[in-house]
Amino acid sequence: QVQLVESGGGVVQPGRSLRLSCAASGFTFTSYAMHWVRQAPGKGLEWVALISSDGGSESYADSVRGRFTISRDNSKNTLYLQMNSLGAEDTALYYCAGQISTGYWGQGTLVTVSS
Amino acid sequence: EIVLTQSPGTLSLSPGDRATLSCRASQSVSSSSLAWYQQKPGQAPRLLIYTASNRATGIPDRFSGSGSGTDFTLTISRLEPEDFAVYYCQQYGSLPLTFGQGTKLEI
Repeated sequence: QVQLVESGGGVVQPGRSLRLSCAASGFTFTSYAMHWVRQAPGKGLEWVALISSDGGSESYADSVRGRFTISRDNSKNTLYLQMNSLGAEDTALYYCAGQISTGYWGQGTLVTVSS
Repeated sequence: EIVLTQSPGTLSLSPGDRATLSCRASQSVSSSSLAWYQQKPGQAPRLLIYTASNRATGIPDRFSGSGSGTDFTLTISRLEPEDFAVYYCQQYGSLPLTFGQGTKLEI
């Protein structure tokens, strides 16, 4: 069955970096664009970033552009999110998700930015 | 950026009722690239509808989506107890992708 398993979350100090991973299985990872979506505690959903199926094209929300980088390793069926210059506003549960029509979502990994 | 406004913010209904949720876009949504999600506490969002009116795999037919351009609707024809949750719309026709703020469907 389809699985997206996020990892790499944790507590990090403001200004520091963190890299999230999302391991995909059960579907042809190389065929689909992938997204990161986040949800701050008690808040709604916020789209973060998108990468094309071959990794050649990326797009970001204004709130993270220049600080976050999305990437993928199709040989490892893994999606990444490199997060730099983290601030309190980045505290959230981070989900990886497949191309919209697939409905593929992970269960999320929690990132807490706090001193 | 396309801003999505969902209404109402909270909808109070009973099992067996019909629910109508609205999502209005600040600009036309390209190719009706509009999705609806259901989210329950402690769970990831679940895709219900994509391209405005196509039910995702495994979604019961009491859920239906309609609309085009700037006005979209999610209808739940007869509410079951498990349908009480928060619902989000999302447009994916233009970058950046955006979500509505959500509608809480409560008993």
